[in-house]
Amino acid sequence: LAKTTQPISMDSYEGQEVNITCSHNNIATNDYITWYQQFPSQGPRFIIQGYKTKVTNEVASLFIPADRKSSTLSLPRVSLSDTAVYYCLVGPPPQAAGNKLTFGGGTRVLVKP
Amino acid sequence: DAGVTQSPTHLIKTRGQQVTLRCSPKSGHDTVSWYQQALGQGPQFIFQYYEEEERQRGNFPDRFSGHQFPNYSSELNVNALLLGDSALYLCASHDRGRNQPQHFGDGTRLSIL
Repeated sequence: LAKTTQPISMDSYEGQEVNITCSHNNIATNDYITWYQQFPSQGPRFIIQGYKTKVTNEVASLFIPADRKSSTLSLPRVSLSDTAVYYCLVGPPPQAAGNKLTFGGGTRVLVKP
Repeated sequence: DAGVTQSPTHLIKTRGQQVTLRCSPKSGHDTVSWYQQALGQGPQFIFQYYEEEERQRGNFPDRFSGHQFPNYSSELNVNALLLGDSALYLCASHDRGRNQPQHFGDGTRLSIL
């Protein structure tokens, strides 16, 4: 599975936009990019998933350049409750054989008042 | 519509004992995966069950075993517990036939004394 590299931590302030970039130079042709959010003592929560270009949902946007060697998760207008660890994962789609999720260390985002 | 549920939420055992953790997948999901998350680290894949069989396994010893029942629920068993087995054990489920992300429960916190 493709290895991912993301910042260990990031600080932000309420109301700002937070952008977390993940590098995945060895991404395979059929790999998807998935982001999860995790609060302390809770399971990871799915945020967004994409394959190419841009994906947007009610909570975030995911930007993927044409070469797919990196991706950027964008959280608009963060609040204190967005303080969490954010994981970038790269791998086959869920329905594919061998679709285990490989987590790295994640990015600890701290939103300050 | 209940999500992934795990029981118990917390458990304390001593070295050498055996433990069984339980997971009920999200309604409509047929595949269950188990992950171990040590403090301060990302979740690590243990194994995955589909159609009541172990389909893929991570780098965990044979002390870790599992089972999936006809109703898709699953158990994780760990024998001869070690201090290093202290962790948050997460269960994730998904529908193998659909391209949708895995959904996680909030885990079982296992402490080994």
